[in-house]
Amino acid sequence: DTEVTQTPKHLVMGMTNKKSLKCEQHMGHRAMYWYKQKAKKPPELMFVYSYEKLSINESVPSRFSPECPNSSLLNLHLHALQPEDSALYLCASSQATSGVSYEQYFGPGTRLTVT
Amino acid sequence: GIQVEQSPPDLILQEGANSTLRCNFSDSVNNLQWFHQNPWGQLINLFYIPSGTKQNGRLSATTVATERYSLLYISSSQTTDSGVYFCAVTYSPAYGSWGKLQFGAGTQVVVTP
Repeated sequence: DTEVTQTPKHLVMGMTNKKSLKCEQHMGHRAMYWYKQKAKKPPELMFVYSYEKLSINESVPSRFSPECPNSSLLNLHLHALQPEDSALYLCASSQATSGVSYEQYFGPGTRLTVT
Repeated sequence: GIQVEQSPPDLILQEGANSTLRCNFSDSVNNLQWFHQNPWGQLINLFYIPSGTKQNGRLSATTVATERYSLLYISSSQTTDSGVYFCAVTYSPAYGSWGKLQFGAGTQVVVTP
C-alpha cells in the first residue's frame, strides 16, 4: 500500500485562529515531509523529519510549527497565519537510508484558505 | 542549487495523439521522479527513474543521467491525462541532505476530446 492520507481536505481559518493539519502513512517509511504549493507553481519543501527528528527547516516562519509524534504521523500546527499563506499543503514520505535518496509518495493535500 | 527545466510549459493535445515531455537538470542527481498532478491537486507517482527506461501502460520514461535529461512519453492520450506533469530530482545540497526533492516548473497538458 503506497498511501499517504491527509486531513482535513479543506480548511478555512482566520488570522487569529490556531489549527492543525494531519498526515499519516503506514508504509513503514522513516522520512516525512511538508511541502507548500501555490497556484500554478511547483511544490516547495518546508520541513523534513527523519526518524521522528526534525532534519531540515527551509527557513519557514515560526507561525508554522511541525510535529512528528511517531513514525507514522506528522502534524503541522498553524497559528496567526497571513492571507499569503493560503495554499495547498502537501505531505510526503519516503524510506530513509543514510546517504541514499528514495522515492517520495505524496498525500492528497489540504487546501488552506486564510481569511 | 540544482536547476530543473521542463519543456514545453504548455501542451494541448487531441485525444489519441502522442507526445514527449522533457526534463533537463544542471548537475548530478541521486534520483529522478515523474509526477502527474490531477485537477484536484493529488500528486501521482508515475516513474522513479534515476537512469534507464521504464514503461507503464501508455506511459514510458527514459533518463540519460550522463547527459542530464529525462523524457516522458505519453501515447494514445486520453482526457484523463490532463493535468500538470512534474519532473523532480533528488540531490545532496551542501548540508548533506538526502531528501531534497527539487521540482521543475511543470508542463500543463490539456487533452481535448
